[in-house]
Amino acid sequence: SQTIHQWPATLVQPVGSPLSLECTVEGTSNPNLYWYRQAAGRGLQLLFYSVGIGQISSEVPQNLSASRPQDRQFILSSKKLLLSDSGFYLCAWETGTSASGELFFGEGSRLTVL
Amino acid sequence: DAKTTQPNSMESNEEEPVHLPCNHSTISGTDYIHWYRQLPSQGPEYVIHGLTSNVNNRMASLAIAEDRKSSTLILHRATLRDAAVYYCILNQGGKLIFGQGTELSVKP
Repeated sequence: SQTIHQWPATLVQPVGSPLSLECTVEGTSNPNLYWYRQAAGRGLQLLFYSVGIGQISSEVPQNLSASRPQDRQFILSSKKLLLSDSGFYLCAWETGTSASGELFFGEGSRLTVL
Repeated sequence: DAKTTQPNSMESNEEEPVHLPCNHSTISGTDYIHWYRQLPSQGPEYVIHGLTSNVNNRMASLAIAEDRKSSTLILHRATLRDAAVYYCILNQGGKLIFGQGTELSVKP
């Protein structure tokens, strides 16, 4: 069966510090991968998505970046965090061949920037 | 990006059916209609999706209007565990753009 893992689950970082959130998927190959952010309140903002190794599409200009060094690994990074980067970050995957696009989400990483 | 419009919140009584509406008047012919729900501090969970015909699964039913400009998620018997934020989303070319959703509260 397929599983998705994110870590760390929670972190508190000072403004200006770097960030690295990792996401891995097991039990499938060539998934489409996504990073979403949920700020206070509701609504998920799509940040990045990837259809293959080294292929990253950015949805919103910001000081975050994403990389996909391996087929089932997706990393969200920042060189210098801003206060506005605080939020709940969610990684998700879907099978690359599905036209209907059911997404499977990870447990989320809650980031607080102080 | 096509948008969806949902009521901000709804209330239901336990054991009663719940109808969660969604408007998507700018839907394109190939856009799938997806519903997800999210419990506090968890990632969203897939509920159901459809294209044109009504759909049923173990969690819910999805009723899609004939012109596809609106849809309704139906929970046949609400339980306390169904209290969550429900998102109606259009799948456009593989990207799911989440709106603000409907916060459903269930009263015992």
